[in-house]
Amino acid sequence: SQTIHQWPATLVQPVGSPLSLECTVEGTSNPNLYWYRQAAGRGLQLLFYSIGIDQISSEVPQNLSASRPQDRQFILSSKKLLLSDSGFYLCAWSPPAGYNSPLHFGNGTRLTVT
Amino acid sequence: AQSVSQHNHHVILSEAASLELGCNYSYGGTVNLFWYVQYPGQHLQLLLKYFSGDPLVKGIKGFEAEFIKSKFSFNLRKPSVQWSDTAEYFCAVNAETTDSWGKLQFGAGTQVVVTP
Repeated sequence: SQTIHQWPATLVQPVGSPLSLECTVEGTSNPNLYWYRQAAGRGLQLLFYSIGIDQISSEVPQNLSASRPQDRQFILSSKKLLLSDSGFYLCAWSPPAGYNSPLHFGNGTRLTVT
Repeated sequence: AQSVSQHNHHVILSEAASLELGCNYSYGGTVNLFWYVQYPGQHLQLLLKYFSGDPLVKGIKGFEAEFIKSKFSFNLRKPSVQWSDTAEYFCAVNAETTDSWGKLQFGAGTQVVVTP
């Protein structure tokens, strides 16, 4: 069966420090991968999605970037964190084809920028 | 751009009461619809989904949702809630456009609290 791992679960970082959140998927090949940010009362906002290695699309302009160095690895990064980057970040995967594939979410990372 | 609206941000009800959560979307073409649930301290889980066919779909834990195309709605229902249904519920839509493949648009979520 497929599993998704996301770490760390919580992170407290000072403003201006770098960020690296990692997500890996097991049990499937060539998944679509996503980074979402969840804000209270605002639902989930899609940040990045990827349909293959080194194929990243950004949905909103921001201080963050994403990379996919391996088929089942998706990394969310920042060179210098801002206070506004605080939030709950979710990684998700879906099968490689079709509009009707549901997303499968990781447990999320609670990021606090101080 | 497509959008998803969930009418209630917070719902409080007693055990055995009926629950209905509203969801409307703004896209006139083909859509795939989902309801996700997030129990306290847990990750988002798929509750049910609609792709085609019978507009009344049944999901896990006694939930169902009805797709009404003319109203652009996909409301979630449960006839009799339990305390364990306390959670946040998210409606999500994937509109079948050329660049929306695999990307879900989520509503803001509804926090449901069921009191004993």
